[in-house]
Amino acid sequence: TAGITQAPTSQILAAGRSMTLRCTQDMRHNAMYWYRQDLGLGLRLIHYSNTAGTTGKGEVPDGYSVSRANTDDFPLTLASAVPSQTSVYFCASSTGTAGEAFFGQGTRLTVV
Amino acid sequence: AQSVTQLDSQVPVFEEAPVELRCNYSSSVSVYLFWYVQYPNQGLQLLLKYLSGSTLVKGINGFEAEFNKSQTSFHLRKPSVHISDTAEYFCAVTAWAGGSYIPTFGRGTSLIVHP
Repeated sequence: TAGITQAPTSQILAAGRSMTLRCTQDMRHNAMYWYRQDLGLGLRLIHYSNTAGTTGKGEVPDGYSVSRANTDDFPLTLASAVPSQTSVYFCASSTGTAGEAFFGQGTRLTVV
Repeated sequence: AQSVTQLDSQVPVFEEAPVELRCNYSSSVSVYLFWYVQYPNQGLQLLLKYLSGSTLVKGINGFEAEFNKSQTSFHLRKPSVHISDTAEYFCAVTAWAGGSYIPTFGRGTSLIVHP
């Protein structure tokens, strides 16, 4: 079982450019999440989705947008990248109740 | 809103010694508690979870944790660590808030096991 697949694995992006980080799950989970991981700050929630067609803002949503057109896919878009968005991005999913979250392998993004 | 505090950013320990990684949380509603482990260049994977019932929960790789409601703590323990336990450990809480279950993570504790 693949679980959660993120792409690309890593990327170097010029400041001001746009980029979409892809996330696909095959577990039919209702809830999906995007976190960024920065040294000393742990994982901070960017955006989430409880079910297809709905999204919500997390702790650090500025500069990011998401969509949830179907159950399986939850792409994260940076409209105009800035160096402070250099981070490791993790996509996760859960059943949407009190169960555990399942994580992808992450996307390492460097904005220069 | 809920929050998680991991009291130690780094815990060095010698192989075969016991270890405790501390986690405290705050929430105005009932919570569900988790510990995750992250090995280098990988995503997070579940170590153990507390949803209800017995306050002592056992997980993979010999880890266990105890839920203490009065102290709002969920400390992770292992009686004898191995070199392979060197990793980043995250405590997380999930609570019902604003119509959603949102996992909130602590800042992580780096466990460094020395030979």
